[in-house]
Amino acid sequence: KAGVTQTPRYLIKTRGQQVTLSCSPISGHRSVSWYQQTPGQGLQFLFEYFSETQRNKGNFPGRFSGRQFSNSRSEMNVSTLELGDSALYLCASSTSDRVNTFGSGTRLTVV
Amino acid sequence: AQSVTQPDIHITVSEGASLELRCNYSYGATPYLFWYVQSPGQGLQLLLKYFSGDTLVQGIKGFEAEFKRSQSSFNLRKPSVHWSDAAEYFCAVLLSGGYQKVTFGTGTKLQVIP
Repeated sequence: KAGVTQTPRYLIKTRGQQVTLSCSPISGHRSVSWYQQTPGQGLQFLFEYFSETQRNKGNFPGRFSGRQFSNSRSEMNVSTLELGDSALYLCASSTSDRVNTFGSGTRLTVV
Repeated sequence: AQSVTQPDIHITVSEGASLELRCNYSYGATPYLFWYVQSPGQGLQLLLKYFSGDTLVQGIKGFEAEFKRSQSSFNLRKPSVHWSDAAEYFCAVLLSGGYQKVTFGTGTKLQVIP
């Protein structure tokens, strides 16, 4: 069975631009979570979606947003990019068993 | 404050030696506990989890972890390390009522020397 697919794998953007990252969960998984990983802050929870509704949100500014579609695929958007947004963005999907399966991530570089 | 602590940032072991990675958590109740491994530039792979029951849990790749409620610890162990185990290891917790908001420790980088 296919794993969690994140696209693109790598992205380079300029400060002030916006970016959209995509995540396709494992078939049948209705929960999708997003995490930001940086050397300085480690792994931080961004938000979680379940059945197209945001259930939980981390402590990030409003420039970070997300959504989930009816097929459980999810996107996250970062507007007005800053240098500090450079990170590995990880998506995870899960079922009611509470176990997250992670994708390989999208490496975002802001220049 | 609620937290997950991995006190060792880097650990170096010889191939074939035993390994123990430490993890302590600070929560009011026993959370769900996980260990993940990450190779450079990759996502996280689940090694094992503890929800309830037997406090010694077995995982993939020969890893095991022991939950000790009295010490709020969930240490990861492997009796004999292989060079391919070199990676970064993350302890993580999930509160039972916290949907899927997982809190991660800062990670321990494992180096394996021949």
